[in-house]
Amino acid sequence: QKEVEQNSGPLSVPEGAIASLNCTYSDRGSQSFFWYRQYSGKSPELIMSIYSNGDKEDGRFTAQLNKASQYVSLLIRDSQPSDSATYLCAVSLTSSNTGKLIFGQGTTLQVKP
Amino acid sequence: GAVVSQHPSRVICKSGTSVKIECRSLDFQATTMFWYRQFPKQSLMLMATSNEGSKATYEQGVEKDKFLINHASLTLSTLTVTSAHPEDSSFYICSAIGTDLAKNIQYFGAGTRLSVL
Repeated sequence: QKEVEQNSGPLSVPEGAIASLNCTYSDRGSQSFFWYRQYSGKSPELIMSIYSNGDKEDGRFTAQLNKASQYVSLLIRDSQPSDSATYLCAVSLTSSNTGKLIFGQGTTLQVKP
Repeated sequence: GAVVSQHPSRVICKSGTSVKIECRSLDFQATTMFWYRQFPKQSLMLMATSNEGSKATYEQGVEKDKFLINHASLTLSTLTVTSAHPEDSSFYICSAIGTDLAKNIQYFGAGTRLSVL
């Protein structure tokens, strides 16, 4: 079982719709969770961080965390073509005190005008 | 804040030569930096964790004698790919943990695209 799993997609949504990206993880003790966006040929940029159960909203983005189900998601409201990118879910390792993260394979999002 | 600068952005070299990549935290002190490699259509693969003033910790399968990491100061880590070969061609990305260590947020450099001929 992979430590962090994401559906590779592509996930295709029309402009203005809500895009829902999902991620599951295997380390039950993980405490820190992140969503990064990566455009083709570029490095990842942080979109959201979340540390406790529930929802965290930042503009058009909402991260949702459910530690009991070991599940974290990212919702993008009013999706724009510029949101088209690969979204990487990253989870901290309980066993590491160095801040090491494990990344999922990424979900490719396509927002069609 | 939390800007990480990586240089060069692109390098083309001949097989057998060595290439050095620099990663700098511009506006914060980074006690820990990470080096990743990413092949096309794949996710980030952690190569090593670099701590200031100590030896880097390499992930399983990464040759420490081939990928030399030096973290001599709180703002600079370097990765040297020694005797590069075409199979080392990849996108190398560094990241650094900022001052709020408890939050584990990694900030990424822009990456270095290495092409070995």
